[in-house]
Amino acid sequence: DTAVSQTPKYLVTQMGNDKSIKCEQNLGHDTMYWYKQDSKKFLKIMFSYNNKELIINETVPNRFSPKSPDKAHLNLHINSLELGDSAVYFCASSPGSPASSYNEQFFGPGTRLTVL
Amino acid sequence: AQSVTQPDIHITVSEGASLELRCNYSYGATPYLFWYVQSPGQGLQLLLKYFSGDTLVQGIKGFEAEFKRSQSSFNLRKPSVHWSDAAEYFCAVGARNTGFQKLVFGTGTRLLVSP
Repeated sequence: DTAVSQTPKYLVTQMGNDKSIKCEQNLGHDTMYWYKQDSKKFLKIMFSYNNKELIINETVPNRFSPKSPDKAHLNLHINSLELGDSAVYFCASSPGSPASSYNEQFFGPGTRLTVL
Repeated sequence: AQSVTQPDIHITVSEGASLELRCNYSYGATPYLFWYVQSPGQGLQLLLKYFSGDTLVQGIKGFEAEFKRSQSSFNLRKPSVHWSDAAEYFCAVGARNTGFQKLVFGTGTRLLVSP
Protein backbone atom coordinates (compact mmCIF):
# COMPACT_ATOMS: atom_id res chain seq x y z
CA ASP A 1 0.00 0.00 0.00
CA THR A 2 1.18 3.51 -0.75
CA ALA A 3 1.08 5.46 2.47
CA VAL A 4 2.80 7.23 5.30
CA SER A 5 3.75 4.75 8.01
CA GLN A 6 5.02 5.28 11.53
CA THR A 7 6.59 2.98 14.09
CA PRO A 8 5.87 2.30 16.81
CA LYS A 9 2.14 2.93 17.14
CA TYR A 10 2.39 3.07 20.93
CA LEU A 11 5.39 3.99 23.04
CA VAL A 12 5.40 3.92 26.84
CA THR A 13 8.58 4.99 28.60
CA GLN A 14 10.00 6.49 31.76
CA MET A 15 10.98 10.10 32.29
CA GLY A 16 14.57 10.80 31.35
CA ASN A 17 14.79 8.12 28.67
CA ASP A 18 15.71 8.72 25.03
CA LYS A 19 13.39 7.38 22.34
CA SER A 20 12.91 7.52 18.58
CA ILE A 21 9.87 7.43 16.34
CA LYS A 22 10.32 6.41 12.73
CA CYS A 23 8.39 7.64 9.71
CA GLU A 24 8.48 6.41 6.14
CA GLN A 25 6.52 7.46 3.08
CA ASN A 26 6.43 5.59 -0.22
CA LEU A 27 4.46 8.27 -2.05
CA GLY A 28 7.54 9.78 -3.68
CA HIS A 29 6.98 13.07 -1.85
CA ASP A 30 9.74 15.60 -1.33
CA THR A 31 8.52 17.18 1.90
CA MET A 32 7.89 15.57 5.28
CA TYR A 33 6.58 16.94 8.57
CA TRP A 34 6.21 16.14 12.25
CA TYR A 35 3.17 17.33 14.19
CA LYS A 36 2.34 17.03 17.88
CA GLN A 37 -1.26 16.51 19.03
CA ASP A 38 -1.75 17.24 22.71
CA SER A 39 -4.32 15.85 25.11
CA LYS A 40 -6.84 18.48 23.98
CA LYS A 41 -6.45 17.27 20.38
CA PHE A 42 -4.65 20.46 19.33
CA LEU A 43 -2.34 19.79 16.37
CA LYS A 44 0.79 21.86 15.93
CA ILE A 45 3.61 21.56 13.44
CA MET A 46 7.05 20.85 14.87
CA PHE A 47 9.37 20.36 11.89
CA SER A 48 9.39 20.15 8.14
CA TYR A 49 12.05 18.74 5.83
CA ASN A 50 12.35 19.10 2.07
CA ASN A 51 14.72 16.69 0.32
CA LYS A 52 16.49 16.00 3.61
CA GLU A 53 16.90 19.70 4.40
CA LEU A 54 15.27 21.28 7.45
CA ILE A 55 12.94 24.09 6.36
CA ILE A 56 10.55 24.62 9.27
CA ASN A 57 11.59 24.44 12.89
CA GLU A 58 8.92 25.72 15.22
CA THR A 59 9.61 26.55 18.82
CA VAL A 60 10.48 23.05 19.93
CA PRO A 61 12.90 22.13 22.75
CA ASN A 62 16.39 21.08 21.67
CA ARG A 63 15.64 17.66 23.13
CA PHE A 64 13.71 16.99 19.93
CA SER A 65 15.92 16.26 16.94
CA PRO A 66 14.55 15.21 13.57
CA LYS A 67 16.75 13.21 11.24
CA SER A 68 16.15 12.60 7.56
CA PRO A 69 18.48 9.92 6.15
CA ASP A 70 16.76 10.19 2.77
CA LYS A 71 13.73 11.96 1.42
CA ALA A 72 11.45 8.98 2.16
CA HIS A 73 12.27 8.92 5.87
CA LEU A 74 11.95 11.44 8.67
CA ASN A 75 12.67 10.13 12.15
CA LEU A 76 12.11 11.96 15.41
CA HIS A 77 14.52 11.45 18.27
CA ILE A 78 13.64 12.73 21.72
CA ASN A 79 16.20 13.02 24.51
CA SER A 80 15.54 13.19 28.24
CA LEU A 81 11.81 12.62 27.93
CA GLU A 82 9.52 14.68 30.17
CA LEU A 83 5.94 14.16 31.29
CA GLY A 84 4.82 17.00 29.03
CA ASP A 85 6.08 15.15 25.98
CA SER A 86 3.18 12.73 26.28
CA ALA A 87 1.12 13.24 23.13
CA VAL A 88 0.31 11.73 19.78
CA TYR A 89 2.95 12.48 17.17
CA PHE A 90 1.95 12.52 13.52
CA CYS A 91 4.19 12.33 10.53
CA ALA A 92 2.99 13.76 7.21
CA SER A 93 4.30 14.22 3.69
CA SER A 94 3.44 16.34 0.67
CA PRO A 95 4.61 16.45 -2.95
CA GLY A 96 6.68 19.13 -4.61
CA SER A 97 8.58 22.01 -3.25
CA PRO A 98 7.09 23.83 -0.29
CA ALA A 99 8.34 27.11 -1.64
CA SER A 100 6.48 26.93 -4.93
CA SER A 101 2.86 26.31 -4.08
CA TYR A 102 0.75 24.70 -1.47
CA ASN A 103 0.29 20.96 -1.67
CA GLU A 104 -1.95 18.55 0.21
CA GLN A 105 -0.40 16.80 3.18
CA PHE A 106 -0.87 13.08 3.78
CA PHE A 107 -0.76 11.92 7.39
CA GLY A 108 0.49 8.79 9.05
CA PRO A 109 -1.53 6.91 11.69
CA GLY A 110 0.23 8.55 14.62
CA THR A 111 2.41 7.37 17.50
CA ARG A 112 0.96 7.68 20.99
CA LEU A 113 3.81 8.49 23.37
CA THR A 114 3.20 8.11 27.10
CA VAL A 115 5.88 9.27 29.51
CA LEU A 116 5.54 7.93 33.07
CA ALA B 1 -0.24 35.26 11.65
CA GLN B 2 -2.87 32.90 10.40
CA SER B 3 -5.27 31.19 12.79
CA VAL B 4 -8.32 28.96 12.67
CA THR B 5 -11.29 28.94 15.02
CA GLN B 6 -13.72 26.08 15.37
CA PRO B 7 -16.25 27.43 17.86
CA ASP B 8 -18.00 24.12 18.54
CA ILE B 9 -16.07 21.64 20.67
CA HIS B 10 -18.81 18.99 20.49
CA ILE B 11 -21.80 18.56 18.24
CA THR B 12 -24.42 15.82 18.47
CA VAL B 13 -26.52 15.05 15.43
CA SER B 14 -29.16 12.39 14.89
CA GLU B 15 -28.41 9.85 12.22
CA GLY B 16 -29.97 10.99 8.96
CA ALA B 17 -30.03 14.65 9.99
CA SER B 18 -28.02 17.35 8.29
CA LEU B 19 -24.73 18.62 9.63
CA GLU B 20 -22.83 21.89 9.57
CA LEU B 21 -19.48 22.34 11.28
CA ARG B 22 -18.22 25.88 11.57
CA CYS B 23 -14.77 27.14 10.75
CA ASN B 24 -13.47 30.70 10.73
CA TYR B 25 -9.98 31.65 9.69
CA SER B 26 -7.72 34.65 9.98
CA TYR B 27 -5.31 35.22 7.12
CA GLY B 28 -4.22 38.26 5.16
CA ALA B 29 -4.35 36.79 1.67
CA THR B 30 -6.62 34.28 -0.02
CA PRO B 31 -6.11 31.14 2.02
CA TYR B 32 -5.72 27.52 1.20
CA LEU B 33 -8.37 25.78 3.33
CA PHE B 34 -8.78 22.17 4.33
CA TRP B 35 -11.04 19.89 6.30
CA TYR B 36 -9.55 16.75 7.79
CA VAL B 37 -11.32 13.96 9.69
CA GLN B 38 -9.75 11.87 12.44
CA SER B 39 -11.52 8.67 13.44
CA PRO B 40 -10.75 7.28 16.90
CA GLY B 41 -7.20 5.98 17.07
CA GLN B 42 -6.53 6.89 13.44
CA GLY B 43 -4.55 9.44 11.53
CA LEU B 44 -5.99 12.39 9.66
CA GLN B 45 -7.75 11.93 6.34
CA LEU B 46 -8.37 14.82 3.97
CA LEU B 47 -12.08 15.38 3.29
CA LEU B 48 -11.79 18.33 0.95
CA LYS B 49 -9.78 21.43 0.13
CA TYR B 50 -10.21 24.89 -1.32
CA PHE B 51 -7.44 26.56 -3.28
CA SER B 52 -9.27 28.84 -5.71
CA GLY B 53 -12.21 28.93 -8.12
CA ASP B 54 -15.66 27.65 -7.23
CA THR B 55 -16.34 28.51 -3.61
CA LEU B 56 -18.44 25.38 -3.06
CA VAL B 57 -16.16 22.36 -2.95
CA GLN B 58 -17.15 18.74 -2.90
CA GLY B 59 -15.24 16.17 -0.93
CA ILE B 60 -15.26 12.51 -0.08
CA LYS B 61 -17.95 10.71 1.90
CA GLY B 62 -20.66 13.15 0.78
CA PHE B 63 -19.16 16.20 2.47
CA GLU B 64 -19.03 19.68 1.01
CA ALA B 65 -17.76 23.04 2.21
CA GLU B 66 -18.35 26.61 1.17
CA PHE B 67 -15.71 29.33 1.23
CA LYS B 68 -17.17 32.71 2.15
CA ARG B 69 -14.54 35.41 1.97
CA SER B 70 -16.81 38.09 3.44
CA GLN B 71 -17.32 35.99 6.56
CA SER B 72 -13.83 34.43 6.65
CA SER B 73 -15.56 31.10 6.93
CA PHE B 74 -15.22 27.62 5.48
CA ASN B 75 -18.06 25.61 6.97
CA LEU B 76 -18.37 21.89 6.40
CA ARG B 77 -21.75 20.39 5.55
CA LYS B 78 -23.35 17.04 4.95
CA PRO B 79 -27.04 16.59 4.10
CA SER B 80 -27.51 13.27 5.89
CA VAL B 81 -25.18 12.03 8.60
CA HIS B 82 -24.32 8.35 9.01
CA TRP B 83 -23.23 6.73 12.29
CA SER B 84 -19.80 6.12 10.74
CA ASP B 85 -19.29 9.90 10.49
CA ALA B 86 -18.72 10.11 14.24
CA ALA B 87 -15.17 11.43 14.53
CA GLU B 88 -13.09 14.52 15.19
CA TYR B 89 -13.10 17.11 12.43
CA PHE B 90 -10.30 19.61 11.91
CA CYS B 91 -10.31 22.72 9.80
CA ALA B 92 -6.91 23.99 8.68
CA VAL B 93 -5.46 26.90 6.77
CA GLY B 94 -2.30 26.70 4.71
CA ALA B 95 0.03 29.66 4.51
CA ARG B 96 0.61 30.61 0.91
CA ASN B 97 3.05 33.48 1.14
CA THR B 98 5.41 32.57 3.93
CA GLY B 99 7.77 30.83 1.57
CA PHE B 100 7.16 27.41 3.00
CA GLN B 101 4.14 25.26 3.49
CA LYS B 102 2.68 25.26 6.95
CA LEU B 103 -0.72 24.02 8.06
CA VAL B 104 -2.38 25.74 10.99
CA PHE B 105 -5.16 23.69 12.54
CA GLY B 106 -8.24 24.60 14.51
CA THR B 107 -8.88 22.88 17.81
CA GLY B 108 -11.30 20.41 16.26
CA THR B 109 -14.99 19.58 16.61
CA ARG B 110 -16.04 16.21 17.91
CA LEU B 111 -19.09 14.89 16.10
CA LEU B 112 -21.34 12.48 17.95
CA VAL B 113 -24.10 10.70 16.04
CA SER B 114 -27.15 9.55 17.95
CA PRO B 115 -29.42 6.75 16.70
